[in-house]
Amino acid sequence: GAVVSQHPSRVICKSGTSVKIECRSLDFQATTMFWYRQFPKQSLMLMATSNEGSKATYEQGVEKDKFLINHASLTLSTLTVTSAHPEDSSFYICSARVQQFRAYGYTFGSGTRLTVV
Amino acid sequence: AQKITQTQPGMFVQEKEAVTLDCTYDTSDPSYGLFWYKQPSSGEMIFLIYQGSYDQQNATEGRYSLNFQKARKSANLVISASQLGDSAMYFCAMRDSNYQLIWGAGTKLIIKP
Repeated sequence: GAVVSQHPSRVICKSGTSVKIECRSLDFQATTMFWYRQFPKQSLMLMATSNEGSKATYEQGVEKDKFLINHASLTLSTLTVTSAHPEDSSFYICSARVQQFRAYGYTFGSGTRLTVV
Repeated sequence: AQKITQTQPGMFVQEKEAVTLDCTYDTSDPSYGLFWYKQPSSGEMIFLIYQGSYDQQNATEGRYSLNFQKARKSANLVISASQLGDSAMYFCAMRDSNYQLIWGAGTKLIIKP
């Protein structure tokens, strides 16, 4: 139980275009979703926290106009990378906080590897 | 400030040997949770084990055990009888009072046949 489906798993886009990443909670309601970014051989860096029906809270240094997060329903949260540039190439992972889950609170999407050319 | 420290960037271990991955943490909150995750090359985050700050006993999950030493603020992961499939990145993380996870830098574990 408590599965988060993240799509796409891989995407290649041209510089200047926008890319949307979706995370769907399949069998539970995700009131809180965390979005992370991970560069090769590094740890996860929290980008923002979104709560259903409210604006996302961005971490310091993360451009909210560039990384648009929408959490309009309890089962869907999206991250849109606007006007992507090669430096935005990275691995993006979503994570939902889940109560009464054996992982004591968190389930992760499988990640999206974004390459901007 | 809350922080997780993993001092081992990489480790090589012979198959079937036990391995200990180090993790120390820093927090002033009396209530916190500590997690270990495995991340294979595919990128998915796999939950391994959890230890709550008030738990009296060290957590165990199959071949994984957590050596929780509260006074030393350490939460080392012990993998018994390592397997080739254990080769991956391992992350220690701590849940803060806002329910966000604070992550360590990770340890790359390579199991040698």
